[in-house]
Amino acid sequence: SSVLTQPPSVSVAPGQTARITCGGHNFRDRSVHWYQQRPGQAPLLVIYDDMDRPSGIPERFSGSSSWNTATLTISRAEAGDEADYFCQVWDTGSDLVRFGGGTKLTVL
Amino acid sequence: EVHLVESGGGLVQPGGSLRLSCAASGFRFDDYAMHWVRQPPGKGLEWVSGLSWQSDDIGYGDSVKGRFIISRDNAKNSLYLQMNNVKPEDTAIYYCAKNYGDTTRGPFDSWGQGVLVTVSS
Repeated sequence: SSVLTQPPSVSVAPGQTARITCGGHNFRDRSVHWYQQRPGQAPLLVIYDDMDRPSGIPERFSGSSSWNTATLTISRAEAGDEADYFCQVWDTGSDLVRFGGGTKLTVL
Repeated sequence: EVHLVESGGGLVQPGGSLRLSCAASGFRFDDYAMHWVRQPPGKGLEWVSGLSWQSDDIGYGDSVKGRFIISRDNAKNSLYLQMNNVKPEDTAIYYCAKNYGDTTRGPFDSWGQGVLVTVSS
């Protein structure tokens, strides 16, 4: 089975760049999606298909993927970016949707 | 604007049943796959189930397979989740989510605000 591994927490200073990783095997044939979840709110799609941004998501949010790691990059971090971030894939082998355990981003 | 509103949550005893509903508006409901995703208090996200627009492609997470049933009524723009033989570990906020594009297993580009289900005696 596919397990998506995320660091529990990442800290970044305002204005700096935060990188959140999602580890799993064989990302070459699956798309990775990222969600932001602020406290008390529903998740929000911020990156889909490895690197595409939905309408309304700032360009400061970007994504990349190699064969075994996907990365969400948040440039020029702001206080409003503080949230939990989850990666997600469709494991075609098991036909299951899988989420990473989530990363809490703190903007110090 | 897409609007998803869940209802039907509450307190249920272990072994009992509950039916969640999701009312959709702001988009052509019968063009998209739909999903249920849950989140236990203070924990991460878990995919529960999803189905295609025609209900001919249905999937379930391992922890609910055989106990939960997903369905939809395109005429009523509604999604449902029948929860049977519930367990304490089913306690969570349940979100209704709209699938993006013409795939059937995500990503999820719109979410409801969620409904809390508590399984306890």
